[in-house]
Amino acid sequence: GAVVSQHPSRVICKSGTSVKIECRSLDFQATTMFWYRQFPKQSLMLMATSNEGSKATYEQGVEKDKFLINHASLTLSTLTVASAHPEDSSFYICSAWGQGDQPQHFGDGTRLSIL
Amino acid sequence: EDQVTQSPEALRLQEGESSSLNCSYTVSGLRGLFWYRQDPGKGPEFLFTLYSAGEEKEKERLKATLTKKESFLHITAPKPEDSATYLCALAGGGNKLTFGTGTQLKVEL
Repeated sequence: GAVVSQHPSRVICKSGTSVKIECRSLDFQATTMFWYRQFPKQSLMLMATSNEGSKATYEQGVEKDKFLINHASLTLSTLTVASAHPEDSSFYICSAWGQGDQPQHFGDGTRLSIL
Repeated sequence: EDQVTQSPEALRLQEGESSSLNCSYTVSGLRGLFWYRQDPGKGPEFLFTLYSAGEEKEKERLKATLTKKESFLHITAPKPEDSATYLCALAGGGNKLTFGTGTQLKVEL
């Protein structure tokens, strides 16, 4: 089946650090990639949608200057959490969608802990 | 606005004890209803997509069904390895997904 790779799986860093998370579709071209955030015992909340070569579209309430998304190719999207603070600590998950009736395929998430 | 409600929040079954998980939804035009499985600390794993009322899909011990208002995920003779959180999601414009809060399933020996 379709494989989406997300790195790193876990990050622990000091407040004020910027953190980059990579999402790669390994065996298909991803027309669109999505970034989600998940708090403990809660469901996935969509943060933003990115299409290759275009600016990302952010959901209401998500700060685009805090969560910088780059979708440079059909197989790679990155999320940079700028100047992260403890309240940014969460589980970040990416997904990739190819075309037509294909479902979104998800990476294994990144656990971000800001001290 | 698309809405997805899953029940129960948590379910504990004995191995072999069949049951069903519910996903109720409201949507202006159904583009697809998805079921995913999520293990702790992992991303969701795709299980099924359903598009129209009356549609059914099966995979091993799992069977998903769809009506105009709800979807069921039936688990037949579950095993401990079926323990996970099962998520239901609606497809909206731009291929966005709206997720329910999930049912946490625990299957015990």
